Amino acid sequence: GENVEQHPSTLSVQEGDSAVIKCTYSDSASNYFPWYKQELGKRPQLIIDIRSNVGEKKDQRIAVTLNKTAKHFSLHITETQPEDSAVYFCAASHSMGNQFYFGTGTSLTVIP
Amino acid sequence: GAVVSQHPSWVICKSGTSVKIECRSLDFQATTMFWYRQFPKQSLMLMATSNEGSKATYEQGVEKDKFLINHASLTLSTLTVTSAHPEDSSFYICSAVRLAGYNEQFFGPGTRLTVL
Repeated sequence: GENVEQHPSTLSVQEGDSAVIKCTYSDSASNYFPWYKQELGKRPQLIIDIRSNVGEKKDQRIAVTLNKTAKHFSLHITETQPEDSAVYFCAASHSMGNQFYFGTGTSLTVIP
Repeated sequence: GAVVSQHPSWVICKSGTSVKIECRSLDFQATTMFWYRQFPKQSLMLMATSNEGSKATYEQGVEKDKFLINHASLTLSTLTVTSAHPEDSSFYICSAVRLAGYNEQFFGPGTRLTVL
């Protein structure tokens, strides 16, 4: 089955700096990679996703890159703000199946 | 669109009682729903995959007789924690998969279960 690893587990950055979270996956058949943000006591919210037919996707301050050959994908947050502080999860899935495999999460703290 | 509700949001019960949690997709049909358990500061632990009209598929180590899952319609799945004990106290989150070319997963708000 699929194995998703996520690094780092914790990340602290100064407000305005960039944050990068990296995930690797093992199953080359995975073709959908969403990123979720979870604030304390709340549900995970989809913030951006990427499909295997593209290498990069950007939405304002958030971007995701995908390297299918190396089987890794990354979340980039630029100009971080205190409200970006949360736990971020990556996931891998295959469109022909229903399983989502989550990374272990990264706790991001943006220091004002 | 793509709203998933969960009820109740918080429940406190005595040890030995059973608790039912509902997960509903409000504006789309979901042939598949997932049930997760989450401990503080930890990742989502998949408990089971709930498929409409068929038996749920449980992950290794999850007792199917303890955590009963029913997916009676395309918009509703229920998780019943039977004979709950304090160690069952946790945050339970459901999600529903919306078919849109690629499967997109949307989460419910979660249910915090406290067993006294």
